[in-house]
Amino acid sequence: KQEVTQIPAALSVPEGENLVLNCSFTDSAIYNLQWFRQDPGKGLTSLLLIQSSQREQTSGRLNASLDKSSGRSTLYIAASQPGDSATYLCALRMIKAAGNKLTFGGGTRVLVKP
Amino acid sequence: KAGVTQTPRYLIKTRGQQVTLSCSPISGHRSVSWYQQTPGQGLQFLFEYFSETQRNKGNFPGRFSGRQFSNSRSEMNVSTLELGDSALYLCASSPTVGGNHGYTFGSGTRLTVV
Repeated sequence: KQEVTQIPAALSVPEGENLVLNCSFTDSAIYNLQWFRQDPGKGLTSLLLIQSSQREQTSGRLNASLDKSSGRSTLYIAASQPGDSATYLCALRMIKAAGNKLTFGGGTRVLVKP
Repeated sequence: KAGVTQTPRYLIKTRGQQVTLSCSPISGHRSVSWYQQTPGQGLQFLFEYFSETQRNKGNFPGRFSGRQFSNSRSEMNVSTLELGDSALYLCASSPTVGGNHGYTFGSGTRLTVV
């Protein structure tokens, strides 16, 4: 059974510092991995989608890497801002799973202090 | 381009009642999935629909059901509500089943059972 772990569960940094968020998984047979952002009480906003064959994806200040051999993905957010405060979730689509089911990590709650 | 629309945004129901939630996917998307999010269990997969057929179902009791219409809109129903059903219910759409598509989520429906 796939297990997806995000450590730490919470993180507090001063504004301007780079953020490094980790996602670990036990089964590397994946189609893709998606990073989401969730603001309190709201839905999920997709940040980056990395296909199984890719090593990284970039969008603005965000960069996500994928290392299937070690079962890890890392989301980097450069020069953090208070508006980056949110919970960040990684989700995997497994080859063994039917359809489009996603398996989520528990999330990392980020607070960027002004 | 309209996103994924979930209605209503908030619901308060009494134990024993039933509830119906609605999800309209992105235009052209034919796959709709539902997730339940609670503080204790995180994001859990409920079910997935494609072309009006349930393709995949999570580990939830039979009180949870759903359907998809010919225009790809989906509804989920929870009967005989319990206090533990209080959660944020999220709907996600994807163009199709399989392939390397990512998910787009709606803003969710917050259900409170009293």
